[in-house]
Amino acid sequence: DAKTTQPNSMESNEEEPVHLPCNHSTISGTDYIHWYRQLPSQGPEYVIHGLTSNVNNRMASLAIAEDRKSSTLILHRATLRDAAVYYCILYSGGGADGLTFGKGTHLIIQP
Amino acid sequence: EAGVVQSPRYKIIEKKQPVAFWCNPISGHNTLYWYLQNLGQGPELLIRYENEEAVDDSQLPKDRFSAERLKGVDSTLKIQPAELGDSAVYLCASSSSGLSTGELFFGEGSRLTVL
Repeated sequence: DAKTTQPNSMESNEEEPVHLPCNHSTISGTDYIHWYRQLPSQGPEYVIHGLTSNVNNRMASLAIAEDRKSSTLILHRATLRDAAVYYCILYSGGGADGLTFGKGTHLIIQP
Repeated sequence: EAGVVQSPRYKIIEKKQPVAFWCNPISGHNTLYWYLQNLGQGPELLIRYENEEAVDDSQLPKDRFSAERLKGVDSTLKIQPAELGDSAVYLCASSSSGLSTGELFFGEGSRLTVL
């Protein structure tokens, strides 16, 4: 799977929007962009995924650059419960290997 | 609906002892994964099952680790004998469809401490 690059950590204030960046300059045309997050002492949980178009769900929005070499996970109004490690993952699909996680971004939310 | 269930949540053993972890995936999920997570790192895939067949176990250290998924439902991951470096969280996950469109559901993990 192609590699992603994320900042080690980010800090934001409660009730403000958060933009988590991810660079994936070697992405291939068939790679899906998945985001997962891991709260303390929990297993990772699915947040959102997309291929080319921007995506919205109840948890977050995913903005994908036109050239697909970067993407941004947007939390519209952060709460203390959003403090977690966020993983940006590329997956080529086809039911092959499991997801390959990097170190992710540790998001800190200040009250 | 119950999520992925793992047990035990915590296990402390002395080195050279055996240990086993159990996973019950979400009902109807054919694909089951075992991941290893070291402190401060992302999860690393150990083995993937499609029903009862291990289709990817290339990252499983086969000298001391073994896994099975009898009847294509529950799964067990065993370490024998455990070493100090095996201290980590062992995560089980399941999915019902291809990851490109579906999502992976994780359990809370089993934290192993080897003394």
